[in-house]
Amino acid sequence: GQNIDQPTEMTATEGAIVQINCTYQTSGFNGLFWYQQHAGEAPTFLSYNVLDGLEEKGRFSSFLSRSKGYSYLLLKELQMKDSASYLCAVMDSNYQLIWGAGTKLIIKP
Amino acid sequence: DAEITQSPRHKITETGRQVTLACHQTWNHNNMFWYRQDLGHGLRLIHYSYGVQDTNKGEVSDGYSVSRSNTEDLPLTLESAASSQTSVYFCASSEGAHTEAFFGQGTRLTVV
Repeated sequence: GQNIDQPTEMTATEGAIVQINCTYQTSGFNGLFWYQQHAGEAPTFLSYNVLDGLEEKGRFSSFLSRSKGYSYLLLKELQMKDSASYLCAVMDSNYQLIWGAGTKLIIKP
Repeated sequence: DAEITQSPRHKITETGRQVTLACHQTWNHNNMFWYRQDLGHGLRLIHYSYGVQDTNKGEVSDGYSVSRSNTEDLPLTLESAASSQTSVYFCASSEGAHTEAFFGQGTRLTVV
């Protein structure tokens, strides 16, 4: 079967750094997406990785290791507005997105 | 600015009734998707379309149908609403397989 695993909830402090992990087992791989979803709102795109390595975009970075079936999203200089759920999604061999259940990130002052 | 809109935002309906949720996008995207989101689950794909007159079943398509008569709209119909279909429904569109998807604001559907 296809499976995406993420921690259910994480807590971090304003100004700190947090790493949200995602492991996957899917039938084929055509890229991995990270989305942010604030409570009661729509998911919004953060990053896309298809090759191994780190992609940096401002305070957010995303890493991929295809051989390990592993990705992480790194958030630096945390702000209160970063409190949200972070969704990991993998595109399988049929170009269908398989979604993780999301990680709820709580930022404390 | 281009956008994707869903209506209604909230809906309460009775078991057995037919319900249609609207999705309209002005991105001119060929790809459109319907997902449901339930606590403890990732987004689950209900139906999707890669263009006009094209529709495909997703992971959880039983009890749902869609039609694509133009590029802008992909309405989702619940043929006979069931309590198990109480959920938040998201419509999304994308330009291509490897590009970001844009999501509507969601429809919270309650079946009583």
